Amino acid sequence: SQKIEQNSEALNIQEGKTATLTCNYTNYSPAYLQWYRQDPGRGPVFLLLIRENEKEKRKERLKVTFDTTLKQSLFHITASQPADSATYLCALDISGGSYIPTFGRGTSLIVHP
Amino acid sequence: DSGVTQTPKHLITATGQRVTLRCSPRSGDLSVYWYQQSLDQGLQFLIQYYNGEERAKGNILERFSAQQFPDLHSELNLSSLELGDSALYFCASSPHLAGFTDTQYFGPGTRLTVL
Repeated sequence: SQKIEQNSEALNIQEGKTATLTCNYTNYSPAYLQWYRQDPGRGPVFLLLIRENEKEKRKERLKVTFDTTLKQSLFHITASQPADSATYLCALDISGGSYIPTFGRGTSLIVHP
Repeated sequence: DSGVTQTPKHLITATGQRVTLRCSPRSGDLSVYWYQQSLDQGLQFLIQYYNGEERAKGNILERFSAQQFPDLHSELNLSSLELGDSALYFCASSPHLAGFTDTQYFGPGTRLTVL
């Protein structure tokens, strides 16, 4: 069955460092991959979408890579700030074109001042 | 603020009861999605409506149903509630049908507690 894996352990880093979060998937070749941010008790907020033919996408301090051979996406936040502390979810379209995202369980990022 | 509104914010009810959750999408958005988020299951897609018609279904239980009205607001009906239905229920909207390539805007959620 399709599986999306994100590190369940929280990532703790120091302010100013680069945070790197991982999203691995199996048994499917998605055409798109999305990253969301979710704060406690609030709805997810869309950050970035990357297509299978794009190796890398950037938006301000955010960078996403998509390696379809490794079946992995990496999400980087450079010059991290305490305000970046949240849970980050990756989502894939594994429905064969119905464009319905399936979400990973998310990784909690904690940026220490 | 995403522009998506959901009511009520909190709902506490008993097993066996029926509840209705309401969602108003962003102005101009035609697609509405419903999701369930629980600690053990994560964020799960339930159902999508586009301009009043059901377009996609996820792992939605038969006890759950939804509809989208002509003014594009949507309601999620949950019946014969069980303890395991306790969760956060999110509504999201997007401008078009192809939701994955559209940005989905999530509402603040309704926290349902079944006692």
